[in-house]
Amino acid sequence: AQRVTQPEKLLSVFKGAPVELKCNYSYSGSPELFWYVQYSRQRLQLLLRHISRESIKGFTADLNKGETSFHLKKPFAQEEDSAMYYCALSGSSQGGSEKLVFGKGTKLTVNP
Amino acid sequence: ETGVTQTPRHLVMGMTNKKSLKCEQHLGHNAMYWYKQSAKKPLELMFVYNFKEQTENNSVPSRFSPECPNSSHLFLHLHTLQPEDSALYLCASSQDYGGTGPLNTEAFFGQGTRLTVV
Repeated sequence: AQRVTQPEKLLSVFKGAPVELKCNYSYSGSPELFWYVQYSRQRLQLLLRHISRESIKGFTADLNKGETSFHLKKPFAQEEDSAMYYCALSGSSQGGSEKLVFGKGTKLTVNP
Repeated sequence: ETGVTQTPRHLVMGMTNKKSLKCEQHLGHNAMYWYKQSAKKPLELMFVYNFKEQTENNSVPSRFSPECPNSSHLFLHLHTLQPEDSALYLCASSQDYGGTGPLNTEAFFGQGTRLTVV
């Protein structure tokens, strides 16, 4: 079964400090991993995906298959990074269709 | 508005009422989804439609009934709901290139409908 675990419900850091949002997954196949973000009063949107290996808004995430992790990192947090972050995994269901499974989310607060 | 639009944004209904949530996407996508976001729970996938055909029903109670008349519209019909069904219902769409395997394209979400069952 597909499962995504975000162990931290809340994370608070000061501006300029490094930030790491943890994500662990469980999936028997080869997954696609994503980070979605929801800023206050805005819709959920994609932040980055592991297959792109890109840095968005200074955030990066590396897929570690050995540790089954996909932690989101940023070296210097900014106040505008305050948002709800969701880790998501895409895999095939038994019926063969694709589906996106989300973690519970981590609320990041960056203090001035 | 481009993207994924959900109406209404807020809905309060009694347990004996029948109501429908609407989702519309103008992105040319062929896969649409309903998610439920409850407090203290992760986003839960409810239904998946690919090319207008329902391909996933994630053990959702029958008081929730989806309908996908075409690839641009998705409905969620509600009847005899319970207070615990109060949640944010999110619609999403993506471009499904068919076949099996993981979703490697971006899912676009609507703003959601905040449902309160009284």
